[in-house]
Amino acid sequence: QTVLTQPPSASGTPGQRVTISCSGSSSNIGSNTVNWYQQLPGTAPKLLIYSNNQRPSVVPDRFSGSKSGTSASLAISGLQSEDEADYYCATWDDSLNGRYVFGTGTKVTVL
Amino acid sequence: QVHLVQSGAEVQKPGASVKVSCKPSGYIFTTYAIHWVRQAPGQRLEWMGWINTGNGNTEYSQKFQGRVTITRDTSANTANMELRSLRSEDTSIYYCARGDHLDHWGQGTLVTVSS
Repeated sequence: QTVLTQPPSASGTPGQRVTISCSGSSSNIGSNTVNWYQQLPGTAPKLLIYSNNQRPSVVPDRFSGSKSGTSASLAISGLQSEDEADYYCATWDDSLNGRYVFGTGTKVTVL
Repeated sequence: QVHLVQSGAEVQKPGASVKVSCKPSGYIFTTYAIHWVRQAPGQRLEWMGWINTGNGNTEYSQKFQGRVTITRDTSANTANMELRSLRSEDTSIYYCARGDHLDHWGQGTLVTVSS
């Protein structure tokens, strides 16, 4: 089953910038926009970034997204302790007839 | 305010079926799709399928094709997900989520499969 590849972990100290990558292929990231979700421990996921780089109004501007070719990235600037969570990228996959795929997930730790 | 409220936790035996419901509020039900996503303990998010709540069309992950059915009841403004032939590996939290971007999520429903 198609998945998007993310690093299993990332970390930083408060105030630092952390970047998470998401690698796909021409049939998913290469052809569609990317969404990012944040999942705090024990809670449901929350939409963080949609359409590659758009933030819902409730999401702080410390979070930003970008896409280039078949890869996407999520950046967290000014890292805060409450950012410690799991982060997932996701998009549609054209090779799977309208099916949605999630990344492998990245655990962000604030040191 | 948009809310998606799911049905309560379930315990089922292997081979049985489970049906989880999702009742959105705060918007017109038929204007946004509903997705179903599951998460096994300590594992990543896994997309199961979605339903166009306007016309009832569905798409399912190949992994669950033949074992899952997603329906909607427009009179009750509710979406449902039924998973059949349960096995222990289906023990997960099942979430519903709204729209193309999955911008709002239900609270999750824990389904435990155990003999």
